[in-house]
Amino acid sequence: GNSVTQMEGPVTLSEEAFLTINCTYTATGYPSLFWYVQYPGEGLQLLLKATKADDKGSNKGFEATYRKETTSFHLEKGSVQVSDSAVYFCALVSGGSNYKLTFGKGTLLTVNP
Amino acid sequence: DADVTQTPRNRITKTGKRIMLECSQTKGHDRMYWYRQDPGLGLRLIYYSFDVKDINKGEISDGYSVSRQAQAKFSLSLESAIPNQTALYFCATSDTATTRANEQFFGPGTRLTVL
Repeated sequence: GNSVTQMEGPVTLSEEAFLTINCTYTATGYPSLFWYVQYPGEGLQLLLKATKADDKGSNKGFEATYRKETTSFHLEKGSVQVSDSAVYFCALVSGGSNYKLTFGKGTLLTVNP
Repeated sequence: DADVTQTPRNRITKTGKRIMLECSQTKGHDRMYWYRQDPGLGLRLIYYSFDVKDINKGEISDGYSVSRQAQAKFSLSLESAIPNQTALYFCATSDTATTRANEQFFGPGTRLTVL
């Protein structure tokens, strides 16, 4: 079956530091990959996505590249802000018509001023 | 106005009580989902519905039931709540009629505590 493994948190950084949150996956076929973000007290929001190998998703300064050879989709940001403090979830949807999301366990990021 | 709404936002109940969580959407999406979130476990799918007449169990459906009353409404019921159902519950929607069919849109969540 499908699975997503992301680095365990919590991750604590100072403002303007570089961020990497690792995500690897196991899936049949060619999945679409996502990063969702959950700000305190809110639901999940789609942050970025990639639908095929070597695609790069980007949004709000965050980037992630779909690496089929390493089955990875690591999230990066060059300079984090306090407002980036949130829980980040890596997720995938496998091929076919069911569109069921499989989530990683989430990584809590705290950015200090 | 929120596109996906959930009521109530918070609920405290006692073991054995029947509880219903409601989800409504104004996005016109055909598919709806219920997830629960537990610390350190991510989100797990409880039930999903592809349309009003198509309801499917997810990975953790035991102890839960659902009703798709209309395309816009999808309710989750706990017939006899137990403490290990204490969690944050999310409703989500997706639209198969677009090129973004594999994106899901989440409500704000319902925090349920079972004493």
